[in-house]
Amino acid sequence: NAGVTQTPKFRVLKTGQSMTLLCAQDMNHEYMYWYRQDPGMGLRLIHYSVGEGTTAKGEVPDGYNVSRLKKQNFLLGLESAAPSQTSVYFCASTPSWVTDTQYFGPGTRLTVL
Amino acid sequence: GQQLNQSPQSMFIQEGEDVSMNCTSSSIFNTWLWYKQDPGEGPVLLIALYKAGELTSNGRLTAQFGITRKDSFLNISASIPSDVGIYFCAGPYLIQGAQKLVFGQGTRLTINP
Repeated sequence: NAGVTQTPKFRVLKTGQSMTLLCAQDMNHEYMYWYRQDPGMGLRLIHYSVGEGTTAKGEVPDGYNVSRLKKQNFLLGLESAAPSQTSVYFCASTPSWVTDTQYFGPGTRLTVL
Repeated sequence: GQQLNQSPQSMFIQEGEDVSMNCTSSSIFNTWLWYKQDPGEGPVLLIALYKAGELTSNGRLTAQFGITRKDSFLNISASIPSDVGIYFCAGPYLIQGAQKLVFGQGTRLTINP
């Protein structure tokens, strides 16, 4: 049981490049989330999903797209990376909306030059 | 929107000292959560509080749910080197039928041996 895993751990992009971050969970959780963490700002919700095939915008969705084609995977895409997207990205999952505890992955550190 | 304010933003203490930090909100929360993030890792839930006035302990950690439901406190007694990290408060809220978390900015704890 690996919990929540994220791929890759580190990535450096040039402005305008695209990439996809993969989040996978093996706990059969319904809800999955993508956050970004910036110094002094805590974690901010980018997008989330309440189940397979569904996605919704969070607090800071601009510049990102997501997909949840399989229940265990939640993908975060950057179509045209910008320096403002330099951040640490965390994925999290939770069994249902009544459960407060979110289980986080180890994070992906992204630098956009 | 929902916002949580943590203080202090950072603490530099000697090993063995006690630590206190708090989290306040302009909104009422029915649940308060405290997470810890070790360097290079994702946040992990430490303590969950579900009732106003509740005092809950987890080893050397003690957290309290303020009676106004607009604040919460976390205390660490007799700090040790592995307590180093960032501590986040968080509160769940419902929007469009989905439960999400709002996080404070974090308190970064540094311990001098």
